[in-house]
Amino acid sequence: SAVISQKPSRDICQRGTSLTIQCQVDSQVTMMFWYRQQPGQSLTLIATANQGSEATYESGFVIDKFPISRPNLTFSTLTVSNMSPEDSSIYLCSVLAGGRNNEQFFGPGTRLTVL
Amino acid sequence: AQRVTQPEKLLSVFKGAPVELKCNYSYSGSPELFWYVQYSRQRLQLLLRHISRESIKGFTADLNKGETSFHLKKPFAQEEDSAMYYCALGTGGFKTIFGAGTRLFVKA
Repeated sequence: SAVISQKPSRDICQRGTSLTIQCQVDSQVTMMFWYRQQPGQSLTLIATANQGSEATYESGFVIDKFPISRPNLTFSTLTVSNMSPEDSSIYLCSVLAGGRNNEQFFGPGTRLTVL
Repeated sequence: AQRVTQPEKLLSVFKGAPVELKCNYSYSGSPELFWYVQYSRQRLQLLLRHISRESIKGFTADLNKGETSFHLKKPFAQEEDSAMYYCALGTGGFKTIFGAGTRLFVKA
């Protein structure tokens, strides 16, 4: 299993500013993901955070808007840049335990409100 | 296209009644199906996966490849089952595709 913590747990930000969310895992993991969960909607994968290389972004998400760092196998950050009210959402960090098609573990989420 | 469909956004049942949360998937390969659950104020967590064929908290789910379904069932719902349930599809890689979720509300 994997225990994931995220900081901050919530924040209220002004339009045009940026917020960096941290994700810490209690064990080394290869696969780390960032999701967005908008109110009343499902989880949408933003990107896969790759250790030692650039993140892999899903369609509709770009590095300029959501830069990601992955300096080691236990830590990652997601920055939400130049925020607008449409970015208000819960952002989730997740890791894959084991290999392909295995259980995913999720962090507690960061609730972001943009005014 | 790879897709997971949960047709019900909200399902409300009385305590003790049977419950079935529907899930259909679209995938041309050999799927790996999961049910994740999120209780109030808790993080999303795995409930069960089809490959393990086990019952967790009284819930079972059978993969029906002919109907491309993986419905979650429990014969007698309990109030503590009230939560958000997500059906998810593993496609042979590292990415998991989640359905829109069904909120289950079990009434006393």
